Order: sequence, then structure tokens, then C-alpha cells
Amino acid sequence: DTAVSQTPKYLVTQMGNDKSIKCEQNLGHDTMYWYKQDSKKFLKIMFSYNNKELIINETVPNRFSPKSPDKAHLNLHINSLELGDSAVYFCASSPRQGRQFFGPGTRLTVL
Amino acid sequence: SQQGEEDPQALSIQEGENATMNCSYKTSINNLQWYRQNSGRGLVHLILIRSNEREKHSGRLRVTLDTSKKSSSLLITASRAADTASYFCATDGAGTASKLTFGTGTRLQVTL
Repeated sequence: DTAVSQTPKYLVTQMGNDKSIKCEQNLGHDTMYWYKQDSKKFLKIMFSYNNKELIINETVPNRFSPKSPDKAHLNLHINSLELGDSAVYFCASSPRQGRQFFGPGTRLTVL
Repeated sequence: SQQGEEDPQALSIQEGENATMNCSYKTSINNLQWYRQNSGRGLVHLILIRSNEREKHSGRLRVTLDTSKKSSSLLITASRAADTASYFCATDGAGTASKLTFGTGTRLQVTL
């Protein structure tokens, strides 16, 4: 069974649209994350939640809004999509500190 | 930039050879981790070394950490074609919240 799952795997949309990516983990971890990997493979943290509480918010445009309905889920909603938002978005989870478990990624393409 | 640097950016070796990748970082850390990413896939954790450790082994992997030089190396011994992937180091900064800062990655190609 998948430990960290994301949906959808691929997302193609027009500029200006609003879209959401969902993430779920069944590992019982308290902490979840969103990362963005750009076309040059640079991976950068966007957000981190611990027990539904936002603990890391890295200078991300406020068009990006994470939501954690419970500690097993961390969704990412993006408003008014721009071309520069095209990337692969990874969800991850971990115990408070230590190794992180990554989801398979969501490839977002904004046209 | 907070991004760590990895060296080399790309490495091509033959099966059976050893592969060494280096990582430099900028800030104090709790631990340093190495991850592998196969093309089009998510990241897979390989090994974690804490700031008070100098060397760690896991199977064919050997990781060293020099906190005075803010650098780490990953050695893969007796490489296999299946080791072909991108390898990233990631530092978990000092502090209570786990926050990984990834390096730029090394693309390893192992040929038969």
C-alpha cells in the first residue's frame, strides 16, 4: 500500500485557473510538507504542517494555500495559475525530525 | 541562495566502478540526508547522518560528514545499472522544525 499518495499525477490547465492537489499519508506521521521541483530539478520546500498547524511557510505567493483537514492529509490549492507555476509538486511526511517519505509527485503544466 | 551545491553535476561510470558525489552546505545542521530520484519518480531516502557522526554505512553506500568544512560525500561501491538516477543531499537545519534544504543534485549514469 502506498505510504504517501498524491492526486492527480498529471495536471494540465490554462493560466488563470484555480486547481488543487491532494496528498494523503498512512504512516501516522505528524508532519507533512509540500515541495516544488522546477525544470532544472531544484527542489524547494514550500510549506510544512505539524498536526494540522502551519509551521513552515517559505516566501510562497499567497496564491498558494495549503489546507490540512487532519494530520493524514495536506492539500494544496493554487489560485490564478501562472506559467511559472509549472513544476512537479511533491508531498512528503515525516516524524517530527528524520527521514522524509515522498509521494510520487504531481506534474503541473500551465498553458 | 540557501541551496546546497553538489559536485559533480553529472557522473558517468561503468558498472562495477565506484561513484563518489560531494555536497557542500552553508548553515548549521541537525542532520544531512541523501535521497535518490529515478527519472519521473519521487524521492527515495537512502541514508541519514547526524551532525555528531562522521561516517555511516548502509549496504553499498558510505556517507561521510565534515561539519567543520560543511561538506558530505556519498560513495556508492560496485555500482549497478539500476543505480542510474539523480542523487540529492538535503540538510535538516538546526532548530525544532524539520526543514530540508536540498542540494542541486548529481545525475549518475551507470553503463553496462
